[in-house]
Amino acid sequence: DTGVSQDPRHKITKRGQNVTFRCDPISEHNRLYWYRQTLGQGPEFLTYFQNEAQLEKSRLLSDRFSAERPKGSFSTLEIQRTEQGDSAMYLCASTPGGRKGFYEQYFGPGTRLTVT
Amino acid sequence: GDSVTQMEGPVTLSEEAFLTINCTYTATGYPSLFWYVQYPGEGLQLLLKATKADDKGSNKGFEATYRKETTSFHLEKGSVQVSDSAVYFCALIKAAGNKLTFGGGTRVLVKP
Repeated sequence: DTGVSQDPRHKITKRGQNVTFRCDPISEHNRLYWYRQTLGQGPEFLTYFQNEAQLEKSRLLSDRFSAERPKGSFSTLEIQRTEQGDSAMYLCASTPGGRKGFYEQYFGPGTRLTVT
Repeated sequence: GDSVTQMEGPVTLSEEAFLTINCTYTATGYPSLFWYVQYPGEGLQLLLKATKADDKGSNKGFEATYRKETTSFHLEKGSVQVSDSAVYFCALIKAAGNKLTFGGGTRVLVKP
């Protein structure tokens, strides 16, 4: 069990550019979550997948944000036309699903985005 | 909507001191409650959890009791170590939902 991994760990981009982040969940975890954490705040839910289906999206996820999980394994989060307000840590978490694993989410180290 | 409120930090303590971090929540139904910890440079880790009223979660010397009457889930440790320096997050999840709702986090600094 290698844990949840995220790539890149850090990304600096200029305003208006597009960025894409990747999350690899723990093997065989069928639920995958994305959260955003701004400095000094707790993480906020963005969206989640059950296998390849995106089941819920937060109102925080504007039209510039899109997430995919094409084969039910890794996921990508893309932000188009980045704005300075997008600067944050983007966290990915996974859970095995099923009753025991339903509540326990395992987090990756995050991708820190800085928009200049 | 659901929300979690926890005491603001930073909390600065000496080694072997007693630690309490207050956490209260607002939610309909019967949420499960969690404490997560974030050590410097690392990802969030689940510290402990409680899934129903009066349950006590415990791990690594930390404890928290789910108090439905006061909608609270305060974190305590009797004797902190320097290695407990971290940011602690209280969170809830609804039985019928899938997303964690976090408090704002409390930074704890333990000095030798």
